[in-house]
Amino acid sequence: DVKVTQSSRYLVKRTGEKVFLECVQDMDHENMFWYRQDPGLGLRLIYFSYDVKMKEKGDIPEGYSVSREKKERFSLILESASTNQTSMYLCASSLIQGSYEQYFGPGTRLTVT
Amino acid sequence: AQSVTQLDSQVPVFEEAPVELRCNYSSSVSVYLFWYVQYPNQGLQLLLKYLSGSTLVESINGFEAEFNKSQTSFHLRKPSVHISDTAEYFCAVSELSDYKLSFGAGTTVTVRA
Repeated sequence: DVKVTQSSRYLVKRTGEKVFLECVQDMDHENMFWYRQDPGLGLRLIYFSYDVKMKEKGDIPEGYSVSREKKERFSLILESASTNQTSMYLCASSLIQGSYEQYFGPGTRLTVT
Repeated sequence: AQSVTQLDSQVPVFEEAPVELRCNYSSSVSVYLFWYVQYPNQGLQLLLKYLSGSTLVESINGFEAEFNKSQTSFHLRKPSVHISDTAEYFCAVSELSDYKLSFGAGTTVTVRA
């Protein structure tokens, strides 16, 4: 079974702090994704990566950056956390070919105070 | 670019009653279609998918969805729900030329005894 793990289930940070969210997948998937999930808005894509050191902006990249130094690991960085970044963050991975089915981690609920 | 509309944000239903969750999409090219389920405090899990072939697809736990190309719909149904089906359900679409998914806003199903 594909396993996608995220470094924290719950995280509380202060405004202005630099925040790192880590995601690791164990199935050698090429693609990795970061979403944020907010009530009534579904999942919105922040960034994705289709290879090591490669990244592309999603629909809402402002205020975020990403890093992918190894194939299995994809990090989301909030350079200076703000209260409007309080949300559930979901990581996913998929193969670069086939049905593009995405496998999700359990999520990190981030609260910025 | 594709988009997804889930027509119902909340669906309350009694145990053993049928349920239908509606999903419409817009795209100018061929698509893959997915339904994901999110149980409380968990990440998303794939429920079923349509890639090609038979327009009726089924999941192992009794859900089914039918792809209707002319109406650009992919509605999800279950003839008899259980308490354990209480969850949020997301419809998603990807274009064959693009491995990103676009998600609907989600439908919360609450099953009552």
